[in-house]
Amino acid sequence: GAVVSQHPSRVICKSGTSVKIECRSLDFQATTMFWYRQFPKQSLMLMATSNEGSKATYEQGVEKDKFLINHASLTLSTLTVTSAHPEDSSFYICSARDLREGRYEQYFGPGTRLTVT
Amino acid sequence: LAKTTQPISMDSYEGQEVNITCSHNNIATNDYITWYQQFPSQGPRFIIQGYKTKVTNEVASLFIPADRKSSTLSLPRVSLSDTAVYYCLVGDAWGTGTASKLTFGTGTRLQVTL
Repeated sequence: GAVVSQHPSRVICKSGTSVKIECRSLDFQATTMFWYRQFPKQSLMLMATSNEGSKATYEQGVEKDKFLINHASLTLSTLTVTSAHPEDSSFYICSARDLREGRYEQYFGPGTRLTVT
Repeated sequence: LAKTTQPISMDSYEGQEVNITCSHNNIATNDYITWYQQFPSQGPRFIIQGYKTKVTNEVASLFIPADRKSSTLSLPRVSLSDTAVYYCLVGDAWGTGTASKLTFGTGTRLQVTL
């Protein structure tokens, strides 16, 4: 199946700093990517929809100024957690849809573990 | 967006067939049903997807009744390595952008033992 990668796989940062997480579709182009957050033993929560060449659409309750999303190309979306705080520590997962003819699957990256100290 | 309901957890012995049922009463005409598997600290992995009737691949089968208000993921002869959380999602496969976003429910935590 299609492959989605994330970098870094884990990151530790100090409170107040910003962290950038990259999401790439490796063998297909994705006009739309999605960012999720998952706390321990909980389900994935959709944060935002990232659209190539336009502004991201954020879910209710997600601060767009804190979680900056940039979908710079058809294979890359980035999530920047600005002025991170310990409560932002979580597992961040991106996904992308493979819209090649006959395909409707959505593929997920391996996730990025963010720890804010 | 169609909401899904699944059992919170299930237990099985190795070698048994496991059936996980998901209800999605307000599924829309354009919605596909997709099942994902997630291990701890990993992203969800695509298992199977279907629109109606039955779909089978090398790892699972998906049964969808005519009214499409529910679906059943069938895992034949589970092993210890199938211990994971299984999510049922419905979404607009033809849509793009926000129309195609998938919302996760609570999922079913499957525990397989010897």
